[in-house]
This record gives sequence, structure tokens and C-alpha cells, in this order.
Amino acid sequence: DTEVTQTPKHLVMGMTNKKSLKCEQHMGHRAMYWYKQKAKKPPELMFVYSYEKLSINESVPSRFSPECPNSSLLNLHLHALQPEDSALYLCASSQTRSEQYFGPGTRLTVT
Amino acid sequence: AQSVAQPEDQVNVAEGNPLTVKCTYSVSGNPYLFWYVQYPNRGLQFLLKYITGDNLVKGSYGFEAEFNKSQTSFHLKKPSALVSDSALYFCAVRDMRRYGGSQGNLIFGKGTKLSVKP
Repeated sequence: DTEVTQTPKHLVMGMTNKKSLKCEQHMGHRAMYWYKQKAKKPPELMFVYSYEKLSINESVPSRFSPECPNSSLLNLHLHALQPEDSALYLCASSQTRSEQYFGPGTRLTVT
Repeated sequence: AQSVAQPEDQVNVAEGNPLTVKCTYSVSGNPYLFWYVQYPNRGLQFLLKYITGDNLVKGSYGFEAEFNKSQTSFHLKKPSALVSDSALYFCAVRDMRRYGGSQGNLIFGKGTKLSVKP
């Protein structure tokens, strides 16, 4: 099973809202990733967790807050977002140093 | 600096014809190379990888890629294209810089849109 699941599939939120994106994998992978993808562009790395510890933060604004409650779950907490944050947010996981498996993404629209 | 280049924004192929999607890379040391495909409004799907070994790598859905060290290329190929192969294709190389204990990060090319016409 190479499945990464993400919820919700779609999210519309106002600039004052607080929401969370969720990601789950049961492949025993110890590295998990958040990416942001704009239309027809490659994914942009946001955060990397390795063994449940944040190992990379690619200078992401503090209105995005990641959380890794356990080895299977990854959350992305959203607060006070801007319209330009509207994008497809992708979660991925991998055995450290191996290929990444991506979830289907959450389509976020900030109004 | 490490980078990946996909020189074609779009590739058009007739169904049944062979297809090639080009990728060149620039890395220090031995490259770890990957191809991913993305269908509209979906996540990326892993197709194949080259780490070491045979230069011709076979992957999912009949795709293969040829690693050429002298030309620093990793072109994706398929002998006979299907309309259902129409999608956005990304080449990626592993970022070999050390960040803590994780070295699984990817550097993506800009993507190539493949259009297969009946």
C-alpha cells in the first residue's frame, strides 16, 4: 500500500479563519513533507519532518504552522492567510532518502 | 548549485507513436533521479527512479528512462503513447545537501505537459 491520504479535498476560508489540513500514511515512512503548488508549476517545499521532528522550514511565513503528532500523521495549521496562499497543498512521505509518495492534495482557496 | 532542467514546456505526440520527455540535471556527486506524473487536480505519482545500476530504468505504466552520465540527462520514454498518458511530467533530483537527518528532499524541474492526440 503506497497511499497517502489528505483531508479535506477542498477548503475555502476567509482571511481571519483558522483551519487545519491533515495528512496520514501507514507505510512506516519516517520522513513527511508539506508542499505548496501553484497551477502548472512544480511543488515548492515548505516543511520536512524526519522522525517526527521538524528538520526543514523553508522560510515559510508563520501563518503556516506544521505539526507531527505521531509517525503516521502530519498537520498543517492555517491562520490569517492571504489570497496569494490559495494553492494546492500536497503532503508526501518517504523512507528517508528514498522516493516520495504524494497524497492527492488539498485545494485551498482564501477569500 | 543543484538543478534540473526540462527544456520543453509541452510535448505533442500522436497516439501509438513513441514519446520522449527530456530532462537534464546538474549535481555534485552521483545523482539520484526521479520522474513523477501529475494528472489534473491530483497529487504527483511516482513513475521511476535511478539510483545506481543499469542506465535503462523501467517504471510504471510502460514508462522507462535512460540515464546518460556524459550528457547529464535522464529522458523519459515510452514506446507507444496512449491518450491517457496526457498529463504534466516532472523530473526531480535529490537535494544532497545535509539538513539534519533527512536527505530525501527533491529539486523539481518546471514540468513538461504531455499531450497525446488520438
